Amino acid sequence: QVQLVQSGAEVKEPGASIKVSCKASGYTFTRYYMHWVRQAPGQGLDWMGWINSYSGGTKYAENFQGRVTMTRDTSINTAYLELSSLTSDDTAVYYCATGGPLTAGVTIDYWGPGTLVTVFS
Amino acid sequence: QSALTQPPSVSGSPGQSVTISCTGTSSDIGRDNRVSWYQQAPGTAPKLIIYGVTNRPSGVPDRFSGSKSGNTASLTISGLQAEDEAVYYCTSCTTSITWVFGGGTKLTVL
Repeated sequence: QVQLVQSGAEVKEPGASIKVSCKASGYTFTRYYMHWVRQAPGQGLDWMGWINSYSGGTKYAENFQGRVTMTRDTSINTAYLELSSLTSDDTAVYYCATGGPLTAGVTIDYWGPGTLVTVFS
Repeated sequence: QSALTQPPSVSGSPGQSVTISCTGTSSDIGRDNRVSWYQQAPGTAPKLIIYGVTNRPSGVPDRFSGSKSGNTASLTISGLQAEDEAVYYCTSCTTSITWVFGGGTKLTVL
C-alpha cells in the first residue's frame, strides 16, 4: 500500500528557511510526480508545485517562485520541499501528495499526513 | 492562476442529495477531464473521492458522483449521511501544467 511519511513539525523565526521531507513507499517512486500543497490554519488548499520524480524537473506556482525549491533523492525514495524567507503568512500544514499511483497519473491522489510549520518570533 | 470558485457552504438533511459546484475557466476545468474532488475531515489530510471528472477510487461509495459542463464541474452526494459532513475541494490541471484548487465547501448534514 502507498505510504507517505513526512518529517516532523517545525517552529521557525521570520526570515529563516524550512526543509520538509516526504518518504514514499508502496509504489515505484520515479514513475509519478510528487506535489506539494499547503493549508494555512482554517484556510483552503494551496498548490505549491510538483517535481518529476524521475528527471528532477520542477514546476512551481507563481506565488512561490524564487522562494521554493523541490528536490528528490531517488536512492531513498524521498522528496523534499524547501521554502526560504519565511514570514508568519507561511504558517501552515505542508502536504506532499503523489501524482498518480492510484489514478495512473491522472491526478493528485495519495496524500501524506502533513507537516505543521509555525513561523513566529 | 486564480482559485476555482466553490460555494462556501451547503447543507442537507440525511437521505437528501446535495450538489457542490466548482467554476473555472477554459484554461483549467474547461481544458480537459483532469478534474478531481477531495473530502477533508477536520485535522486530517484530504482524501480523493472523484477523479477524471466522473471516476471513483475503489472504496468510495457510489453515492458520490461527479460531472462537468463547460467550465463548471459538480460533485453530487446522494443519500446524505452524517459521516459525509466535511469540507470538499475541487481541483483541476491547467494549460500551464500547474494545478489549482477551489476554495472549499463546508457540507453540513442537518
